[in-house]
Amino acid sequence: GNSVTQMEGPVTLSEEAFLTINCTYTATGYPSLFWYVQYPGEGLQLLLKATKADDKGSNKGFEATYRKETTSFHLEKGSVQVSDSAVYFCALRRTGNQFYFGTGTSLTVIP
Amino acid sequence: GAVVSQHPSRVICKSGTSVKIECRSLDFQATTMFWYRQFPKKSLMLMATSNEGSKATYEQGVEKDKFLINHASLTLSTLTVTSAHPEDSSFYICSADPGQGDEKLFFGSGTQLSVL
Repeated sequence: GNSVTQMEGPVTLSEEAFLTINCTYTATGYPSLFWYVQYPGEGLQLLLKATKADDKGSNKGFEATYRKETTSFHLEKGSVQVSDSAVYFCALRRTGNQFYFGTGTSLTVIP
Repeated sequence: GAVVSQHPSRVICKSGTSVKIECRSLDFQATTMFWYRQFPKKSLMLMATSNEGSKATYEQGVEKDKFLINHASLTLSTLTVTSAHPEDSSFYICSADPGQGDEKLFFGSGTQLSVL
């Protein structure tokens, strides 16, 4: 079956530190992969996505590359800011707009 | 941008009571809405898919008589947890599909349900 596994948090980093949040998936076929972000008090928002192997999604300084050989879609950012503090969810698209999500990883960036 | 309003954000209730959670798309029409649930340290899991004017489709293992979903209009879907028990305590979140394709979805901010 399909599933998403992402690293457990919480993660605490100092401002300008490098961020990696690991995500691996199990799927039949080659689904589209996503990272969603939830800021405090808000709904999940699409951060970035990749639709096929070797695609790199990027947005707001965040990047993730669809790696078929390692079934991974790790989220990275070179220099985090306090405003990046949020919960990050890795997801794969099942059908239509139904998704499999990971557990979410809480990130806190301290000044 | 498109906004989905979900209420309440937090609710505490006694065991045996029913709780209704609302999900509204504020500036678009959503023919399809989705309800998800997340237990502590577990994945956010799809519970059901709700289509306006028809019965919801529930995922395997989700009791349709316990989790009543009503999608009576293109801007409102409700989830009612009937006869709630402590094991129903969870984070519930809805999402709405504006039908724009390209996997665009808009999420509510979630409801934390605690059943005493």
